[in-house]
Amino acid sequence: DAGITQSPRHKVTETGTPVTLRCHQTENHRYMYWYRQDPGHGLRLIHYSYGVKDTDKGEVSDGYSVSRSKTEDFLLTLESATSSQTSVYFCATGAVQSTGELFFGEGSRLTVL
Amino acid sequence: AQSVAQPEDQVNVAEGNPLTVKCTYSVSGNPYLFWYVQYPNRGLQFLLKYITGDNLVKGSYGFEAEFNKSQTSFHLKKPSALVSDSALYFCAVRDMGSGAGSYQLTFGKGTKLSVIP
Repeated sequence: DAGITQSPRHKVTETGTPVTLRCHQTENHRYMYWYRQDPGHGLRLIHYSYGVKDTDKGEVSDGYSVSRSKTEDFLLTLESATSSQTSVYFCATGAVQSTGELFFGEGSRLTVL
Repeated sequence: AQSVAQPEDQVNVAEGNPLTVKCTYSVSGNPYLFWYVQYPNRGLQFLLKYITGDNLVKGSYGFEAEFNKSQTSFHLKKPSALVSDSALYFCAVRDMGSGAGSYQLTFGKGTKLSVIP
């Protein structure tokens, strides 16, 4: 277990407002990931980080930005939330470069009205 | 780009019967393959992985998976299903990494397993 904490766990917001989701890990892993889970789509990668200030886009990055100023924290920001961003967001981390597997947080459920 | 296919949205099996959840993949080079399980309102939990070695890998809760390179498959199996195995199962593949040292895991769309008492 990578000691992953996501906050907030639940959030309801209105279209056009900014939202930031936080992921915190305690295991000093280099790699961190943000996925979204939607029915019929499984998990899709939004953005990921391979070190402090090193980030890259995933499959569904439009409308999202990320920041990683410390090893332990990875922030996902929706600059102007839309209803299509209503989803469950999962953070993941692990020694993916060696052992390969990721460990996931409990998820953040976001509803955009 | 790598991809994962889980051809069945749902699998139903009677308690005590063997179960199989199917997965096929596409990736450049030797694959790193994974199975995860998700219970309602929870995050994904790692079950097992294949990196190299024996084609039959064993994991948590009595699950195992068989790697077949020629068929590019990695099916999840269990000899005797339990009602408590009912959950959503995801197959995933890791890429070979970029020059910058970044790695991505790509997931299938998931298969809902229902074990009927």
